[in-house]
Amino acid sequence: DTGVSQNPRHKITKRGQNVTFRCDPISEHNRLYWYRQTLGQGPEFLTYFQNEAQLEKSRLLSDRFSAERPKGSFSTLEIQRTEQGDSAMYLCASSPGQIYNSPLHFGNGTRLTVT
Amino acid sequence: AQTVTQSQPEMSVQEAETVTLSCTYDTSESDYYLFWYKQPPSRQMILVIRQEAYKQQNATENRFSVNFQKAAKSFSLKISDSQLGDAAMYFCAYRSGVETSGSRLTFGEGTQLTVNP
Repeated sequence: DTGVSQNPRHKITKRGQNVTFRCDPISEHNRLYWYRQTLGQGPEFLTYFQNEAQLEKSRLLSDRFSAERPKGSFSTLEIQRTEQGDSAMYLCASSPGQIYNSPLHFGNGTRLTVT
Repeated sequence: AQTVTQSQPEMSVQEAETVTLSCTYDTSESDYYLFWYKQPPSRQMILVIRQEAYKQQNATENRFSVNFQKAAKSFSLKISDSQLGDAAMYFCAYRSGVETSGSRLTFGEGTQLTVNP
C-alpha cells in the first residue's frame, strides 16, 4: 500500500492557461474522489468515479473542469482557462467501493496558484 | 442537503491535558456515518475516528473518543493526554448511508488545534 499519489505537488500558472493534475489511487480501490480545499476551509466535493464511470459531479464543477479515469486506475483533473478563483488545494481520495463504510484515503494534494 | 458545522475555528490545549472539539450536523437521514479527520501541516488528511449512526455506543480509538448525540445531531471529539503531534486542523465529516450517494464526504469548516508544551 503506497498510498494515494498526486502530481504535481504545486502548480503555478497564469490566468487563462490550462492545467492538468494526476491522481494515482491505492491499487484495487475502485472509487476515486476529487475535492477542492481553499485556505482555512474544509474540502468541498467535486466529483467521484467508480471504476472508469464518473457517477456524480458537484455543481462546483463548472464546464471548465473535466475529470477522467480512462482505465479505472489513475485519474486526471483538467481545468481550462484558469481563473484566480481556481487557486486552491485539489485533493484526491480513494476507497474500496466493495466495503461501503470504508474510510477515504487522501493524497497530499496539488496546490494550484493562478496569477 | 446535509451540512456540517464546526463552531470553533481555533482551540488550544496544554500537553497532557484533554480537549473537546465540537461538531454539529444537519440531516434528514437516519442512516449515516460520521468521521473526524486530522490534517497536519503536511496536508495529508488522516482518519482519526468514525461512528456509525446506528450504533449507540460511542467510538473510541486509543486517546480519541467521540460523544455522539444523535437526537441533538452532535458529534464531538475528545482528545485525552494531548500530545504535540496532535496539533493539526481537525475536520468533522458526514457521509450518507444511502449507497447511491457514492460515499462522498461533507466536511465542516475545521478546527485548528494548537498543543502547547
